[in-house]
Amino acid sequence: QKEVEQNSGPLSVPEGAIASLNCTYSDRGSQSFFWYRQYSGKSPELIMFIYSNGDKEDGRFTAQLNKASQYVSLLIRDSQPSDSATYLCAVYTGRRALTFGSGTRLQVQP
Amino acid sequence: DVKVTQSSRYLVKRTGEKVFLECVQDMDHENMFWYRQDPGLGLRLIYFSYDVKMKEKGDIPEGYSVSREKKERFSLILESASTNQTSMYLCASSRIGPQETQYFGPGTRLLVL
Repeated sequence: QKEVEQNSGPLSVPEGAIASLNCTYSDRGSQSFFWYRQYSGKSPELIMFIYSNGDKEDGRFTAQLNKASQYVSLLIRDSQPSDSATYLCAVYTGRRALTFGSGTRLQVQP
Repeated sequence: DVKVTQSSRYLVKRTGEKVFLECVQDMDHENMFWYRQDPGLGLRLIYFSYDVKMKEKGDIPEGYSVSREKKERFSLILESASTNQTSMYLCASSRIGPQETQYFGPGTRLLVL
């Protein structure tokens, strides 16, 4: 079992819809969780991080964390074509480095 | 503004060559990381360093070595390049701590022929 799992997609949503991206992790001791966005040919850039159970909102983005079920999700409201990218979930397990999932490719259709 | 730079955006090398990839950060970060990224496999950690001259192996260290002689600079060395090391190489840096963001450089796309 991979430490951090994401559906590779592509996840296709129409412009203006809510995109829901999910991530599960295997280490119950994981402490914090990050969502990165990566455009094709570019390096990952941080969208947001979360470390407490519940929701955290930042503009059109909401991260949700459920430690009991070991999943974290990212919701993108009012999706725009410019949101089309690969979204990487990353988990900090206390070993200094982040463990990344393989990413979910999102396509927002105009 | 946060900045991580990598010495080359694209490199083409021959099998058996020694390859140096260099990364520099200007944020006084303690941690520095080298990842490789391949389609379908995501980001995989090669090595990281939490202080000058300190290093730890990541998930796929075989065929690689690293050097950190100064806090701002972290080098990845391919002692004898092989075709299966063709990949995108990403450097990152961060402060120490579970809530510290990793900032990535632009990446080096390496082709080994």
